[in-house]
Amino acid sequence: DAKTTQPNSMESNEEEPVHLPCNHSTISGTDYIHWYRQLPSQGPEYVIHGLTSNVNNRMASLAIAEDRKSSTLILHRATLRDAAVYYCILSVINNAGNMLTFGGGTRLMVKP
Amino acid sequence: DTGVSQDPRHKITKRGQNVTFRCDPISEHNRLYWYRQTLGQGPEFLTYFQNEAQLEKSRLLSDRFSAERPKGSFSTLEIQRTEQGDSAMYLCASSLFDRAGGYTFGSGTRLTVV
Repeated sequence: DAKTTQPNSMESNEEEPVHLPCNHSTISGTDYIHWYRQLPSQGPEYVIHGLTSNVNNRMASLAIAEDRKSSTLILHRATLRDAAVYYCILSVINNAGNMLTFGGGTRLMVKP
Repeated sequence: DTGVSQDPRHKITKRGQNVTFRCDPISEHNRLYWYRQTLGQGPEFLTYFQNEAQLEKSRLLSDRFSAERPKGSFSTLEIQRTEQGDSAMYLCASSLFDRAGGYTFGSGTRLTVV
């Protein structure tokens, strides 16, 4: 399975942009890049996903490197409620669709 | 639709007892997944269903664990003869059959085996 590498933790100031990096040098051509986040005492929450092009939604933006070996999740203005563990995941394609394998994630701390 | 529901939220049981958890997925989702998460770790895949068929099981799913999705709707995860090492958060998720679709997770059932 293709693996991802993320920093264990990051800090940000409230109302500033946050760039969360992810390396996935062994990504295959058909793997999608997914981001989920998990707030304390809750299940993971879908944030965004993409294949090759940059993606934007109401929660965040996903910037994907041209060679697809890395990506960056961008939170445009961090709030205290964005403090969570952020997981970068490559979807493993099998005969029945996509499968998500979680790593350790990045713990984001947001300072007021 | 209120999302993925899991019941109970918390369960404390004595070692050796059997426990059963329930998951109600989003109604139109045909895929359902079970994950287990221990403190400080990311969720680990246990098993998943496409409608009522159980299509894949992780090696983490020992013979004490069994999961069912009898009519392709709700699912149950049973652990027999619980051990202290089974203490974890058990997460359920559902999705549409989609090559890249996102999962919707429930809030999980926290199991403590004493």
